[in-house]
Amino acid sequence: AQTVTQSQPEMSVQEAETVTLSCTYDTSENNYYLFWYKQPPSRQMILVIRQEAYKQQNATENRFSVNFQKAAKSFSLKISDSQLGDTAMYFCAFTRRTNRDDKIIFGKGTRLHILP
Amino acid sequence: GAVVSQHPSWVICKSGTSVKIECRSLDFQATTMFWYRQFPKQSLMLMATSNEGSKATYEQGVEKDKFLINHASLTLSTLTVTSAHPEDSSFYICSARQGLGAGGNEQFFGPGTRLTVL
Repeated sequence: AQTVTQSQPEMSVQEAETVTLSCTYDTSENNYYLFWYKQPPSRQMILVIRQEAYKQQNATENRFSVNFQKAAKSFSLKISDSQLGDTAMYFCAFTRRTNRDDKIIFGKGTRLHILP
Repeated sequence: GAVVSQHPSWVICKSGTSVKIECRSLDFQATTMFWYRQFPKQSLMLMATSNEGSKATYEQGVEKDKFLINHASLTLSTLTVTSAHPEDSSFYICSARQGLGAGGNEQFFGPGTRLTVL
């Protein structure tokens, strides 16, 4: 069975600083996707970034980037130049690439506070 | 694109009544829809997976007779909480996915429905 672990329940950083959120996962699959989702106070789930396991290059979306270490099964999220609007719950998630019914496995989340 | 709506966004009901929550994919056809439950400050808990035209697959521990799911079309799935009790009070979120391989298996999430059972 697949598992996703986020070891940081809560973090706080000053605005404009860089912060890294940790995530590790466990799977025997070779083809899969990894995601970081953001859930702000509105509770709308927003996809931040997606990584395909077969791609060695780390995904980047503007101020958000990941450090994907497949052998170590690690998938951390780096937020550069953090902004107040980045305050949210962040979930790391995993899904297999095969089978259309496949579910997303979520970590327990990291609550991130950006301080003014 | 890829917008998912939920209705209602907030509902209060009396204990013993049933409540229906709708989930719609507005600009794409969703072959698969998922229903989650989220308690305060916790992660999303998958309740069930539904494919259009077939019975939903429920996760272990989820009562299928209590949480009725109907995926009647490629753009609509409904969750009915039957004989609701205060312990059913929670935040319910749906998500929708396009066909196999499309969008990298990405799920698009609705804004959620807050259910309060008195």
